[in-house]
Amino acid sequence: AQKVTQAQTEISVVEKEDVTLDCVYETRDTTYYLFWYKQPPSGELVFLIRRNSFDEQNEISGRYSWNFQKSTSSFNFTITASQVVDSAVYFCALSEAEDSNYQLIWGAGTKLIIKP
Amino acid sequence: DADVTQTPRNRITKTGKRIMLECSQTKGHDRMYWYRQDPGLGLRLIYYSFDVKDINKGEISDGYSVSRQAQAKFSLSLESAIPNQTALYFCATSDYTENQPQHFGDGTRLSIL
Repeated sequence: AQKVTQAQTEISVVEKEDVTLDCVYETRDTTYYLFWYKQPPSGELVFLIRRNSFDEQNEISGRYSWNFQKSTSSFNFTITASQVVDSAVYFCALSEAEDSNYQLIWGAGTKLIIKP
Repeated sequence: DADVTQTPRNRITKTGKRIMLECSQTKGHDRMYWYRQDPGLGLRLIYYSFDVKDINKGEISDGYSVSRQAQAKFSLSLESAIPNQTALYFCATSDYTENQPQHFGDGTRLSIL
């Protein structure tokens, strides 16, 4: 069965430190998609990235980077030089191409606290 | 203006009341979803709709019903609210093409006393 595990319930770092949020997934499909979303204290859910299973290139967007490793079924998210505004709950999610409903399977989220 | 708008943003009501949460979108997406979020848990899918004539149950549909009034509108009803339905509710939309990201409204915080 498909599953997404975010083992880190909460992480707390001091501003300007680098921090990595882990995401491990399980799926039997060869074609699937992985997502990261951010939920700041205000509560809305913000889409950050989508990655398909055939694209193992790492992605960088400003201070954000994502490391996709099929060999370990992981799609980790790193924030470089963290800032207080990065404080949020971050969710990883999986969608399988063979699921005609394209449903998202969500991890439980990691709460990230950036201290000034 | 927000692309996905949920109303109300907050609601406090009593057990047994009927409640409707509304969602409208200007993104032109065919697919719409209702989720609930409980503290410490990820999002759980309640219902989803791929077009006006298509309604599907999600993981936790018991106690809920939905109506897709138009492509842009998808409402969630609690026929007889109970305290364990206290949660943060999200509406989301996505394009019809394969595995596109879902875009969320700002959420409705519902408290049932």
